[in-house]
Amino acid sequence: NAGVTQTPKFRVLKTGQSMTLLCAQDMNHEYMYWYRQDPGMGLRLIHYSVGEGTTAKGEVPDGYNVSRLKKQNFLLGLESAAPSQTSVYFCASSSTSRGAYEQYFGPGTRLTVT
Amino acid sequence: GENVEQHPSTLSVQEGDSAVIKCTYSDSASNYFPWYKQELGKRPQLIIDIRSNVGEKKDQRIAVTLNKTAKHFSLHITETQPEDSAVYFCAASIRASGGSYIPTFGRGTSLIVHP
Repeated sequence: NAGVTQTPKFRVLKTGQSMTLLCAQDMNHEYMYWYRQDPGMGLRLIHYSVGEGTTAKGEVPDGYNVSRLKKQNFLLGLESAAPSQTSVYFCASSSTSRGAYEQYFGPGTRLTVT
Repeated sequence: GENVEQHPSTLSVQEGDSAVIKCTYSDSASNYFPWYKQELGKRPQLIIDIRSNVGEKKDQRIAVTLNKTAKHFSLHITETQPEDSAVYFCAASIRASGGSYIPTFGRGTSLIVHP
């Protein structure tokens, strides 16, 4: 049981390049989330999903897109990276239909955009 | 204003002292209030949580209290140890537009325990 995994762990992009971050969970959780963490700003929600085939915008969705084609996977895409997207990205998942239970976080992806 | 406010942003204590971190939330329908600990370079991990039908919960040196009327909740750590040094995040389940309850985090408190 691996829990929540993220790929890749580190990435450096040039401005304007694109990339996809992959999150996978093996706990059969309905809810999945993408956060970014910047110093002093806490964990800010980018997008989330309440089930396979559904996605919704969080607090800071601009510049990002997501897809949840399979229940166990949640992809975060950056179409045209900007230096402001330099951050640590965490994926998380949780069970229950109301998202009101413990979140399990992945190890994070450190992204630098130059 | 922010949906979840957390104070203080930094807390420095001596080993053995108590530490208290406070959070307020805006959505009166919030029903779940977790606390996460994040050590340097690691992922956040749940340390304790409380639901809206409970006023207090304890787990060894850690306790959480909830005041639904005032819409605030607090984390209490007694007999602090150097290994308690970390960033602590509170969260509250906030009602989203689709009817789901989505955790919203405070900005975090950096706790430093001096030996």
